[in-house]
Amino acid sequence: KAGVTQTPRYLIKTRGQQVTLSCSPISGHRSVSWYQQTPGQGLQFLFEYFSETQRNKGNFPGRFSGRQFSNSRSEMNVSTLELGDSALYLCASSPDNKPYEQYFGPGTRLTVT
Amino acid sequence: AQKVTQAQTEISVVEKEDVTLDCVYETRDTTYYLFWYKQPPSGELVFLIRRNSFDEQNEISGRYSWNFQKSTSSFNFTITASQVVDSAVYFCALSEKSPNAGKSTFGDGTTLTVKP
Repeated sequence: KAGVTQTPRYLIKTRGQQVTLSCSPISGHRSVSWYQQTPGQGLQFLFEYFSETQRNKGNFPGRFSGRQFSNSRSEMNVSTLELGDSALYLCASSPDNKPYEQYFGPGTRLTVT
Repeated sequence: AQKVTQAQTEISVVEKEDVTLDCVYETRDTTYYLFWYKQPPSGELVFLIRRNSFDEQNEISGRYSWNFQKSTSSFNFTITASQVVDSAVYFCALSEKSPNAGKSTFGDGTTLTVKP
């Protein structure tokens, strides 16, 4: 099976712009979770989607949003980018019978200038 | 609320030494899952080991072993005969039972450097 894929891998945006990141889970996995990794805050949970519904949400401002499509692919959007949004964004997918077993993608490295 | 603490920020060893990474966790759930991940410079999180809260048996898998003790809320990870390729950041993580299982809490990571 192909692993979790994330596009794009690298992105440079300007403060105030918005960005959309994409994650394709492992085939058959309906759960997709998103994490932000920064040097200062470490790895923090953003949100989880399951079967097109947000199942869990982390403690991030409303500028961070996500969605999931019927094929389980997920996107996350960050509006009005701030310098502090520069981070590695990781997504993970999980099988239904083992929701705790997360398989991570390579990440999207976002730089906000 | 969940919390994972990795007190060791950086560890440096010489190749072939054994190294133990410490992890202490907090959770109010009785069912939970503990993990160790490795993150090489490329950034991808690589799953290493998982332990369920109801299974305290400690095992060895190749050069990896772990010591899970519920009494002290610790989940330590040992690499035996370390190699240069083991150099990476190692994360301990905690996940609670469904429907929160897809929401993992990570420690701050321990940077391991193995010198030749």
